[in-house]
Amino acid sequence: SQTIHQWPATLVQPVGSPLSLECTVEGTSNPNLYWYRQAAGRGLQLLFYSVGIGQISSEVPQNLSASRPQDRQFILSSKKLLLSDSGFYLCAWSLLRTQGGEKLFFGSGTQLSVL
Amino acid sequence: ELKVEQNPLFLSMQEGKNYTIYCNYSTTSDRLYWYRQDPGKSLESLFVLLSNGAVKQEGRLMASLDTKARLSTLHITAAVHDLSATYFCAVGRPGGATNKLIFGTGTLLAVQP
Repeated sequence: SQTIHQWPATLVQPVGSPLSLECTVEGTSNPNLYWYRQAAGRGLQLLFYSVGIGQISSEVPQNLSASRPQDRQFILSSKKLLLSDSGFYLCAWSLLRTQGGEKLFFGSGTQLSVL
Repeated sequence: ELKVEQNPLFLSMQEGKNYTIYCNYSTTSDRLYWYRQDPGKSLESLFVLLSNGAVKQEGRLMASLDTKARLSTLHITAAVHDLSATYFCAVGRPGGATNKLIFGTGTLLAVQP
């Protein structure tokens, strides 16, 4: 069965510090991978998605970047965090829709607080 | 641009009562999702609705989809405290091989004894 791992669960970082959040998927090959952010009391916003190694699409202009160095690894990064980067970050995966990938599966999330 | 609106944003209801959460979306889509989120937790998939007139039920929750009206409903029957959570609907962007979803703002459901 497929599983998705996301870490760390909680992170407190000062403004201006770097960020690296990691997500890995097990039990499937060539998944579509996604990073979502949830601001306090709000819905989720898609930040990045990836259809393959090294292929990253950004949905919104921002202070963050994403990378996919391996098939089942997705990393969210920042060189210098802003206060507005605080939020709950969720990694997700799906199969290609043409392969029946209608469901989106979420990781456990990272609560990031930038102080 | 695809937009998703949920209402109400907050719902306080008594145990044993029935209520409905509404989800409207602005442009055509071929799939709609309902998720549950407990405080500080990830999202749990409840329903995936893929066709007009689709109805799915799980326990006290029932979801339906009207693609012509661009409306989905999540009906709660005889609410119990364990249903207290935030419920999100999400709509898939049409086309493409990826599953990019646009989420509503969520409905915070509080079931009072």
